[in-house]
Amino acid sequence: GQQLNQSPQSMFIQEGEDVSMNCTSSSIFNTWLWYKQEPGEGPVLLIALYKAGELTSNGRLTAQFGITRKDSFLNISASIPSDVGIYFCAGQRGYGGATNKLIFGTGTLLAVQP
Amino acid sequence: DAGVIQSPRHEVTEMGQEVTLRCKPISGHNSLFWYRQTMMRGLELLIYFNNNVPIDDSGMPEDRFSAKMPNASFSTLKIQPSEPRDSAVYFCASSLRASLGTDTQYFGPGTRLTVL
Repeated sequence: GQQLNQSPQSMFIQEGEDVSMNCTSSSIFNTWLWYKQEPGEGPVLLIALYKAGELTSNGRLTAQFGITRKDSFLNISASIPSDVGIYFCAGQRGYGGATNKLIFGTGTLLAVQP
Repeated sequence: DAGVIQSPRHEVTEMGQEVTLRCKPISGHNSLFWYRQTMMRGLELLIYFNNNVPIDDSGMPEDRFSAKMPNASFSTLKIQPSEPRDSAVYFCASSLRASLGTDTQYFGPGTRLTVL
């Protein structure tokens, strides 16, 4: 199935460092979502973006919906060990009906060393 | 407030056996999604339902896979007969489909299936 291009694939950082990851697509999305998945669990929604250019924060997390509607990025400031996990972006083309399918990115594995 | 509930959490079976995965969506949600996650292919949408009606099953791998949603609070994904390549983590997600705005999907904890 189709997947969004997400980078980097993995990051190994020291506690306290900032993290940045992004997601790109060849086609337009009307919604961008960022999820975090921890071992043995399902993805958990972190941030949802609904408008091109929108910048949204959730604690130490900040995400932006690209102005072209073909990309999004997620920043994590002052990382801590519990930030460890796989981060997925997901795009959604429409609102309901046949267009509320999510297309997922390939994931970014984040490891934080205390 | 309970999230999406999936059972079993782990399933180990032998090739050729029938496997049934179960999902209870969040109460009040009207859309339900089945995903499969593997290292090679990532998260793939298999099928989704709106108001208990299958909308898109284009992701279902083949005829061995079938999904039902007999009511708003229960869905099953069945594999018959199972094969080793079906080994994966299967997630169920639900959302409240709204006429305006997006319908955010909330995932269950998944069922890890191993077919020997």
